[in-house]
Amino acid sequence: GAGVSQSPSNKVTEKGKDVELRCDPISGHTALYWYRQSLGQGLEFLIYFQGNSAPDKSGLPSDRFSAERTGGSVSTLTIQRTQQEDSAVYLCASSSDYEKLFFGSGTQLSVL
Amino acid sequence: DQQVKQNSPSLSVQEGRISILNCDYTNSMFDYFLWYKKYPAEGPTFLISISSIKDKNEDGRFTVFLNKSAKHLSLHIVPSQPGDSAVYFCAASLYSGGGADGLTFGKGTHLIIQP
Repeated sequence: GAGVSQSPSNKVTEKGKDVELRCDPISGHTALYWYRQSLGQGLEFLIYFQGNSAPDKSGLPSDRFSAERTGGSVSTLTIQRTQQEDSAVYLCASSSDYEKLFFGSGTQLSVL
Repeated sequence: DQQVKQNSPSLSVQEGRISILNCDYTNSMFDYFLWYKKYPAEGPTFLISISSIKDKNEDGRFTVFLNKSAKHLSLHIVPSQPGDSAVYFCAASLYSGGGADGLTFGKGTHLIIQP
């Protein structure tokens, strides 16, 4: 497809379980970002990948969160031992420059 | 500590009138600003941007104004149309191009266009 693709679109999980969220960026975009939007909040930066450089993990809220980007393309965000406060929409974005980000539709994560 | 603030969570405007969405920022190092529009169940989409070397950028019905001394920007939509009903996010970037942190977003303003 032409846009950023995220899967699943919805994920319901039980507290304490691990979840994996996937992002397929736009082909050729070297930068990939993960953000999350909690209810009533803005977009919170989580992690940033640029080419083969070490990722900027400064936004990850705890060590339960991690992300990988394989082959400079697909990225997976993993949340271990999920908590109810992890419930949010997780948005992936890719970019070919540092300003204009193209977002996917997001994964709605609900932790029961 | 929010660096980008949108103080109006919602705004209701009559169709055909002007919609004005406001945004304030605290970090004087920001020098590139963007507006994103978000419909329910969709990701945000880029709308319009402005560099700090300008004070106005216009694209069709959308105009963004930047007042650097006041650390304030606004988005004007005129005339407002029903399809403009969405959440609008203001975002700021450090044009140093380091890329770290991506964009800093405000909490958004829900614009409702009434017929």
